[in-house]
Amino acid sequence: AQSVAQPEDQVNVAEGNPLTVKCTYSVSGNPYLFWYVQYPNRGLQFLLKYITGDNLVKGSYGFEAEFNKSQTSFHLKKPSALVSDSALYFCAVRGDSNYQLIWGAGTKLIIKP
Amino acid sequence: GAGVSQSPRYKVAKRGQDVALRCDPISGHVSLFWYQQALGQGPEFLTYFQNEAQLDKSGLPSDRFFAERPEGSVSTLKIQRTQQEDSAVYLCASSSLQGPANEAFFGQGTRLTVV
Repeated sequence: AQSVAQPEDQVNVAEGNPLTVKCTYSVSGNPYLFWYVQYPNRGLQFLLKYITGDNLVKGSYGFEAEFNKSQTSFHLKKPSALVSDSALYFCAVRGDSNYQLIWGAGTKLIIKP
Repeated sequence: GAGVSQSPRYKVAKRGQDVALRCDPISGHVSLFWYQQALGQGPEFLTYFQNEAQLDKSGLPSDRFFAERPEGSVSTLKIQRTQQEDSAVYLCASSSLQGPANEAFFGQGTRLTVV
C-alpha cells in the first residue's frame, strides 16, 4: 500500500537557521514526490517535485529537497529560514501507475524571529 | 482567471440537505481532481477526471457523493443528504497534462460545515 509519513507534527526553527521537514514514503514502482505549502486561508501551493535525475531538487522560495532512494525519504530543506516561511507543509507521492496523490498529515513549521 | 477557482468558499448545510460545490479549473487543463481534507489531516483523493471522462471515483466515500465535468472544464461535486461526517474542506485541483509526473494546482477549497 502507498503511504507517506511526516513524523513531526511541528518544527520550530529560529530565523536564519537551516530547516528540515522530514518525509518518508512507501510506493509501488518509481516514486513521484511533491512538496506543497499551505498558508492560512489559502490553497495548497506547489513547491517542488522529484521525478528522476539529480537527487537534490530546487524549488520555489529557496526551498530544496533531497531524494534518498535507499531510505525512501524526501526531506524538505532550506539553508536560512525566514519568518514568512511559517506555514503548513505537506509531502505527497504518486506511483508511476496511477495519478492519485497520497499525502502526509502535514508538518507545521514555525520560524521564530 | 489565472488559478483554480472554487465556489462557494464556505457552505453551512443542515443535516440531510443536498449541496453542490463548483470548481473552475485553469483554462485548458486536462486533468481535474477532487480531494477531501479533514481538519488537521492531509487531503484524501475523491475522484479524477480526464477531460469529461471520470476515470477514477474510487475515493468517493458513499453513493451520496457524485461528481461531474460534462464539458471537460467546470466540475461540480454534489453531496446528497449531507451528514455531519461530511464536514471538511473540499479541494479541487487541475493539471495541464496527464501522467503522474505533473504537479497539480489547487483552488482555495470549499469549507463545508454540516450542522
